[in-house]
Amino acid sequence: EPEVTQTPSHQVTQMGQEVILRCVPISNHLYFYWYRQILGQKVEFLVSFYNNEISEKSEIFDDQFSVERPDGSNFTLKIRSTKLEDSAMYFCASPTANYGYTFGSGTRLTVV
Amino acid sequence: GDSVTQMEGPVTLSEEAFLTINCTYTATGYPSLFWYVQYPGEGLQLLLKATKADDKGSNKGFEATYRKETTSFHLEKGSVQVSDSAVYFCARSTSYNTDKLIFGTGTRLQVFP
Repeated sequence: EPEVTQTPSHQVTQMGQEVILRCVPISNHLYFYWYRQILGQKVEFLVSFYNNEISEKSEIFDDQFSVERPDGSNFTLKIRSTKLEDSAMYFCASPTANYGYTFGSGTRLTVV
Repeated sequence: GDSVTQMEGPVTLSEEAFLTINCTYTATGYPSLFWYVQYPGEGLQLLLKATKADDKGSNKGFEATYRKETTSFHLEKGSVQVSDSAVYFCARSTSYNTDKLIFGTGTRLQVFP
């Protein structure tokens, strides 16, 4: 089964620092998504990315966030100046055939 | 707007008990419906899905039927195991397989031997 790979699995950063979360989505897919799950809460949509452009973003996805596809295969989520409330699990996802989605195993971000 | 409502947990059951986790969705558009499972310390795994009314999704003994008349997609299993202990998320999409997912709040299931 195709996989979505995320790195790192866990990152600890100081408040105010920039972090970059990486995802290798299923190959040859043009749509990618980032979701966030604050500990113990529901999974929330952050942003969708189609053909190298943001196609939709949520109100959570403010100016501190950005997404890029730097080299045609990797897909990154950058948080410019982290806040304590950015601590969460971040999931990358690719849509699959028949309306399914494959999620990566996530990056746990801890802001201290 | 679009939303998904799940029953609150935790749901605590003994092994071999019958499981139902309720899920309802807002009736806008023609969503596809999903159940995802998250085991402790892991990511989200697709458990089952249904893409149109009256479809039944099934996997690993779990079932859910897309009920348009009641806007529901309740998850059921006839006999739960300790290994089923996890958080279960109901989610919806729209008719297009490139659309975002909207998740419910998740329901934690704890199964004891």
